Amino acid sequence: GQQLNQSPQSMFIQEGEDVSMNCTSSSIFNTWLWYKQEPGEGPVLLIALYKAGELTSNGRLTAQFGITRKDSFLNISASIPSDVGIYFCAGKNYGGSQGNLIFGKGTKLSVKP
Amino acid sequence: NAGVTQTPKFQVLKTGQSMTLQCAQDMNHNSMYWYRQDPGMGLRLIYYSASEGTTDKGEVPNGYNVSRLNKREFSLRLESAAPSQTSVYFCASSVSLGAFFGQGTRLTVV
Repeated sequence: GQQLNQSPQSMFIQEGEDVSMNCTSSSIFNTWLWYKQEPGEGPVLLIALYKAGELTSNGRLTAQFGITRKDSFLNISASIPSDVGIYFCAGKNYGGSQGNLIFGKGTKLSVKP
Repeated sequence: NAGVTQTPKFQVLKTGQSMTLQCAQDMNHNSMYWYRQDPGMGLRLIYYSASEGTTDKGEVPNGYNVSRLNKREFSLRLESAAPSQTSVYFCASSVSLGAFFGQGTRLTVV
């Protein structure tokens, strides 16, 4: 089946540093989504991307939809302790069923004050 | 502003018991999903429903059944629970803007 390869698996950074993570796939997607999950909670949508090449920001977060439609990245600038959590990318299937939404395995972010 | 509501939040089952996890959304979304989340495995799709009256298998459907009762509700049933089904289960609903998740059901099968 389809798989998303998300990297890195984990990151340990100092407060104030910038963070970058990415997601790649062997399949084309027409929508890329980025989520954050905190312990004991469901994933929360951060950014949604709908067009190849699209660059979208949400506060200190910036995400891009790759030109090939097979990748996306998420950047967090000037990290703060509350950025701690697991970040997931998700791709929506291109063609075929409209409902299939596939997730990467996540990037666990730890921020040292 | 309920969004996606899952019940129950916690459940312990004995091997072989059956149960149904309930999910309801009040956002008038067409698509609904069931995922399971295990440590290091991310979110794996069990079943999804692109619209009322349709359901499709995801990555890990074995041992589960689903019912899309109406546009609001999408339930997940375990007919004969197994320890391998110990997991956190998430329901989600979506439109083109993205998928929105419930708080999860933590299920333990002993």
